[in-house]
Amino acid sequence: KAGVTQTPRYLIKTRGQQVTLSCSPISGHRSVSWYQQTPGQGLQFLFEYFSETQRNKGNFPGRFSGRQFSNSRSEMNVSTLELGDSALYLCATGGGNTGELFFGEGSRLTVL
Amino acid sequence: DQQVKQNSPSLSVQEGRISILNCDYTNSMFDYFLWYKKYPAEGPTFLISISSIKDKNEDGRFTVFLNKSAKHLSLHIVPSQPGDSAVYFCAASVISKAAGNKLTFGGGTRVLVKP
Repeated sequence: KAGVTQTPRYLIKTRGQQVTLSCSPISGHRSVSWYQQTPGQGLQFLFEYFSETQRNKGNFPGRFSGRQFSNSRSEMNVSTLELGDSALYLCATGGGNTGELFFGEGSRLTVL
Repeated sequence: DQQVKQNSPSLSVQEGRISILNCDYTNSMFDYFLWYKKYPAEGPTFLISISSIKDKNEDGRFTVFLNKSAKHLSLHIVPSQPGDSAVYFCAASVISKAAGNKLTFGGGTRVLVKP
């Protein structure tokens, strides 16, 4: 079955702009989580959506937001971009009894 | 508050030898511990996991050991192969409706396997 699909794979923005990233989960998976990976901070949890509702949220400012649609696809948005937002943004689905997540290949955001 | 820590940022090992990666945690509520492998510009891929009620889990060349009293786990790769060169992340989860599917990750250990 198809894996987790993230678009776009790479993008470049300038400070102050906003960006929207998209994630299509594995078919049948209703949970979508987002993570940010930076060299200094490692992999950090942003938020999780389940059945169109935010179920859990990490410690990020309100500029980071997300949503989930009825087909389980999810988007995350970052407004008023800062240089420090440059990172690999990863989407994941799964969980279940062990917490195992399946990750997409990520969207590499560069903020200039 | 870093609940999951990998204190060794890098590890170099000869092909055929054992790679040992270590991870420490502070939250005694974690139910499962997982190891992920990551290549550059790709998402992490799941390697192996262990329940908090077990002390060892083995899958082929990969074995994870859990010492709950020390809040420590380790991943052994035997024998190490050049294709194992990647960044390895330790992660932990609390299985509950409230916690959802959140994984808490360590900072990663970069492994280089020399031919």
